Amino acid sequence: EVQLLESGGGLVQPGGSLRLSCAASGFTFSSYTMSWVRQAPGQGLEWVSAISGSGGSTYCADSVKGRFTISRDNSKNTLYLQMNSLRVEDTAVYYCAKDPYGDSYFDSWGQGTLVTVSS
Amino acid sequence: DIQMTQSPSSLSASVGDRVTITCRASRTIRSYLNWYQQKPGKAPKLLIYAASSLQSGVPSRFSGSGSGPDFTLTISSLQPEDFATYYCQQSYSTPLTFGGGTKVEIK
Repeated sequence: EVQLLESGGGLVQPGGSLRLSCAASGFTFSSYTMSWVRQAPGQGLEWVSAISGSGGSTYCADSVKGRFTISRDNSKNTLYLQMNSLRVEDTAVYYCAKDPYGDSYFDSWGQGTLVTVSS
Repeated sequence: DIQMTQSPSSLSASVGDRVTITCRASRTIRSYLNWYQQKPGKAPKLLIYAASSLQSGVPSRFSGSGSGPDFTLTISSLQPEDFATYYCQQSYSTPLTFGGGTKVEIK
């Protein structure tokens, strides 16, 4: 059974940093493109960033470009999102999600971790 | 960026009703369109991928159709567990984008 477990969320001041982790199990982690998708309170879904199975290719939304960095450690079956220069508008539940065929949709999601940016 | 527009933003329906939700892309995305269901406090769940392919384990009352810019998600006979918010998502190009959501409520 595929399991994705996010951690690392919390309260941070504007301008601060946070690193999210997503521990994966139940599948060959290194074979799959993974993404981060976020959802602000009461709002819709926003794709944040994606990384190929090898980690050699990464993609991100303009809203986080230059501030957020996606990475992965395939030896630890873990996906990361390093978030710097956080803004109030980054407040959201952050989900990690698995792309089954590299076709940029998501067949498995974690339970999410809440990031709150506030002074 | 490709903009995804869903309609309606909300609807009220009864158990047993046929429900249709539409999604329009700002330009052609061929069949690179996916549908998700989300219940409060839960992660989204994939229902339909590639416009019309039913994800494994999803009930057959869910179906998707369309191509190019216009797509439809249909629930043939609404069940109590189907009350949720539904999102479309284009996977044609990055940045990947979602529609604004359609909340299906109990009439």
